[in-house]
Amino acid sequence: QVLLVQSGGGVVRPGGSLRLSCEASGFNFANRGMHWVRQAPGKGLEWLAYLRYDESDRYYADSVKGRFTISRDSSKKTLFLQMNSLRPEDTAVYYCARSPKWDLHLDSWGPGTLVIVSS
Amino acid sequence: EIVLTQSPATLSLSPGERATLSCRASQSVSHYLAWYQQKPGQAPRLLIYDASHRATGVPARFSGSGSGTDFTLTISSLEPEDCAVYYCQQRDNWPPITFGQGTRLEIK
Repeated sequence: QVLLVQSGGGVVRPGGSLRLSCEASGFNFANRGMHWVRQAPGKGLEWLAYLRYDESDRYYADSVKGRFTISRDSSKKTLFLQMNSLRPEDTAVYYCARSPKWDLHLDSWGPGTLVIVSS
Repeated sequence: EIVLTQSPATLSLSPGERATLSCRASQSVSHYLAWYQQKPGQAPRLLIYDASHRATGVPARFSGSGSGTDFTLTISSLEPEDCAVYYCQQRDNWPPITFGQGTRLEIK
């Protein structure tokens, strides 16, 4: 079955960096666009970034543009989110999610990983 | 950026009742709207995509309708396990992909 296993969350100081990983199994990872979405404590969902299946395009929310980078290693079936210059307002549960090859609804989600930015 | 406004913020109904959740877009999103269910402590789950298509494994009591700026998620006969927060999401005019603020459904 489709599985997205996330890792890399934790506590980091403001201005610090963290890299999140999302390892996929149970489907053809190379054929799927992938997203990162976050949810601050007690808040709603915020889309952050998208990487097309062939890495031809990547898009970011304004709130993270220039600080976060989405990437993938298809040989390892893994999606990454490199987060730099972290701020307290980046504190959230971060989800990876996949989309169909030619669409943008998010049809499977990872369990989430908590990132806390605090001094 | 397209803003999605969901109503009501909270809905409290009894098992067996019909639930109607609304999502209104600040401009037309054609039929490119999805609905998600999120239970406490869990990741969201896709229910409906392209306004009216049920995702794999979603019970038939969930249905979606609408186009343009006004959309509805209907749960025909509530079950206790339907207690959750429901989000709509658009992908017509992007980036960014945007979500509504959510409707909390409580089962009495």
